[in-house]
Amino acid sequence: GAVVSQHPSRVICKSGTSVKIECRSLDFQATTMFWYRQFPKQSLMLMATSNEGSKATYEQGVEKDKFLINHASLTLSTLTVTSAHPEDSSFYICSARTAGSTGELFFGEGSRLTVL
Amino acid sequence: GDSVTQMEGPVTLSEEAFLTINCTYTATGYPSLFWYVQYPGEGLQLLLKATKADDKGSNKGFEATYRKETTSFHLEKGSVQVSDSAVYFCALSPRNTGNQFYFGTGTSLTVIP
Repeated sequence: GAVVSQHPSRVICKSGTSVKIECRSLDFQATTMFWYRQFPKQSLMLMATSNEGSKATYEQGVEKDKFLINHASLTLSTLTVTSAHPEDSSFYICSARTAGSTGELFFGEGSRLTVL
Repeated sequence: GDSVTQMEGPVTLSEEAFLTINCTYTATGYPSLFWYVQYPGEGLQLLLKATKADDKGSNKGFEATYRKETTSFHLEKGSVQVSDSAVYFCALSPRNTGNQFYFGTGTSLTVIP
């Protein structure tokens, strides 16, 4: 199946700093990628849809100035958590969908962010 | 709106026991249905899927049948192993939206030797 790679898998940062997480589709082109946030023992919450060459579409309640998304190419999307605070600590997962209405989602390995 | 309701966990079973995790959905039209599995510390992996009514998805001994009459997609396995311990997510993708996936809340399964 298609491969989506996410980096870094774990990151620890100090409060007030910014952290960038990369999501790459390794063997297919993805015009659209998705960013999810997962709280402990809960399901995935869609944060935003990342569109290559245009602005991301954010879900209601997600701060676009806090979570900056850039889809620089057909194989790379980045999520930057700006001025991180402890409440931003979470597991962030990206995914990309193959072509077609029945295309499945392929997920990255996830990035665990801990803000001290 | 579209949604997925999944059996709450956690579920604890002995090795070789039979597993059922219930999943029902609400959707207009004919969505595609999925089961994803998340092992500890990892991202989600597709376990199986079904794209139309009466389709049966199967993989690694797991099965689920797309039942439109009961709007269900229950996950089953005849004999679980310790290595099946993970969190299982039921999901649906409406047709012709291109983007949206709706996930259930996940069911944690622990298999003990």
